[in-house]
This record gives sequence, C-alpha cells and structure tokens, in this order.
Amino acid sequence: KAGVTQTPRYLIKTRGQQVTLSCSPISGHRSVSWYQQTPGQGLQFLFEYFSETQRNKGNFPGRFSGRQFSNSRSEMNVSTLELGDSALYLCASSLPGATNEKLFFGSGTQLSVL
Amino acid sequence: DQQVKQNSPSLSVQEGRISILNCDYTNSMFDYFLWYKKYPAEGPTFLISISSIKDKNEDGRFTVFLNKSAKHLSLHIVPSQPGDSAVYFCAAIDSGTYKYIFGTGTRLKVLA
Repeated sequence: KAGVTQTPRYLIKTRGQQVTLSCSPISGHRSVSWYQQTPGQGLQFLFEYFSETQRNKGNFPGRFSGRQFSNSRSEMNVSTLELGDSALYLCASSLPGATNEKLFFGSGTQLSVL
Repeated sequence: DQQVKQNSPSLSVQEGRISILNCDYTNSMFDYFLWYKKYPAEGPTFLISISSIKDKNEDGRFTVFLNKSAKHLSLHIVPSQPGDSAVYFCAAIDSGTYKYIFGTGTRLKVLA
C-alpha cells in the first residue's frame, strides 16, 4: 500500500506570493490533516478534513486554507506569504471515522519564503 | 496556549541505558495519548499509544506510562539504541472533537 504522498518536496517563494501544497492520503483513508512544523514550536495543527468537510481548525490566520476532494486528496493554500511561513508542512491521513486512530504522515513540503 | 508540553527540548543517553521522555498536558478532555518518532527529512511515525483508562502500555523496548491525576505521561525506552536517536513527539486526542494536539518534541540522542 502506498504511503501518504506530498508534493512538491521543496518550494521557494517570495513574500506576498501564494502557494498550494498537495497531499494524497493512503488509499481508503478519508481523514486528512495538516500540520506546520517550525523549530521550537513542534507540530502546530492547521486543519483537518473528513469526507470533503473541514472538521477541525487550528489557530492560524485566514491566509491558510485547505480543501479536500471526493477522492480524499487534499490541498493546502497559503496566500500573501510572510517570512514566518517558512516551515515544514506535513500532511497526515487516518482511517475513516476513527477517533483514536494513529496518523500516517507524508514526508512533508519544505517551504522557504524569501 | 500549549495544551501539550514537552519541557525537555533535548536528551542524551548512553547506549544500553534507559531513555525517559516526559510530556504534560492541561486539557482533562484528552482521552487518548500517542508517541511519534521523527527522523530528519521524514514525516513522524507512530510508536506507541495509551488510552486514558489505562496507566501503562508496553510494546517491546517501549513503555508508555500515564498518570491522569498529574496529567503527565512518559515514554521509557529500554535498552536505548543509537537508531533511537530522533525527535519524539507526544500527542493527545480529544475524542469528542477529534482534535489531535502535538507537543513541541524532544530530541533524543543515544550515544554509542
């Protein structure tokens, strides 16, 4: 079974631009969540989608948005990039309807904002 | 507001000894806890979990202890091996809201 796939692996953008990151979950997984990892801040929860609906949202500004498609693939968009958005963005998927299920993570997209 | 805290950013342990990683939480609604391990340039991978109705769960060299009254959990690795060198994240789940919260991580270095 293929794992969680995130594209692109690396991305360099300049301030003010926007970016879209993509995540393909493990086949059969319907929950997809996104996290931001920065040094010293751990994994900060961005949002979670289940069956194309945003089920939970973290404390990030509205510049961060996401969506999930009918095939469970998900995209995350950041508009008007700021230097502080430089981070590793991780996507994770889990089994349908599970509440205490472990997450399966992709390798992440390393975003650098110059 | 950091609801899940790992107060030790790093830990060094000699190979063969015990590694103890700690985690504290503030939300009494958390009812499931997990530990993940992360190597550089890879996503975190699941290690071990524990339900709030238990106080201990063991899997090979890894044991997680939960003290609900103190809102504290710990991960014990015995014996520690150089391949265990990684960043360890504890996580908590509020099953009512499906919210999954991670701590800030502890970097473990096992010295050969």
